[in-house]
Amino acid sequence: DQQVKQNSPSLSVQEGRISILNCDYTNSMFDYFLWYKKYPAEGPTFLISISSIKDKNEDGRFTVFLNKSAKHLSLHIVPSQPGDSAVYFCAASAINAGGTSYGKLTFGQGTILTVHP
Amino acid sequence: ETGVTQTPRHLVMGMTNKKSLKCEQHLGHNAMYWYKQSAKKPLELMFVYSLEERVENNSVPSRFSPECPNSSHLFLHLHTLQPEDSALYLCASSHDRGRAEQYFGPGTRLTVT
Repeated sequence: DQQVKQNSPSLSVQEGRISILNCDYTNSMFDYFLWYKKYPAEGPTFLISISSIKDKNEDGRFTVFLNKSAKHLSLHIVPSQPGDSAVYFCAASAINAGGTSYGKLTFGQGTILTVHP
Repeated sequence: ETGVTQTPRHLVMGMTNKKSLKCEQHLGHNAMYWYKQSAKKPLELMFVYSLEERVENNSVPSRFSPECPNSSHLFLHLHTLQPEDSALYLCASSHDRGRAEQYFGPGTRLTVT
């Protein structure tokens, strides 16, 4: 059973517009969430994270929103640039859970973002 | 970014071969991880090492054997693999297990023939 889901396999956006990538999770023990970006032939690169005690975290063009009641998070990129074209992975962790969950990241399947010039 | 390096980048091996994947991190981190990414599947955690001690084996078959000789190096020894083991193998590190931000290497693309 997949605990972290990215239901949109792909997203296409015009340069300069907003990109919104979505992620849903089922495990209520998750208390820390991350977004990674992956280019072909490279490993995932950490982008931005959010703790469950917050509902928003912003870093430059990237903002992550967390809706705990809906078990939903989203990544907003504005303005989108062609260099943002990559696969975006959502990941979740139960930092405070302890036991075998400690330090473990659970990833979604990824969303391919294409930003057209 | 060369914080986490992996060699080789590509590997083709037969089912009877023995090979090893190497990972090195230059970030001073204390935790290291092996992940597997198969086609159209999420990244799957395989092993976790914290301060050179294996703290998790995520139900991985014994044909995969990890080794962590020190906090900077991590190996994945492979023997008698199956074609379905063909995948991208990613190494990652984090400051410690309590920090969720993990930093990944570029991966080794493994093909088992």
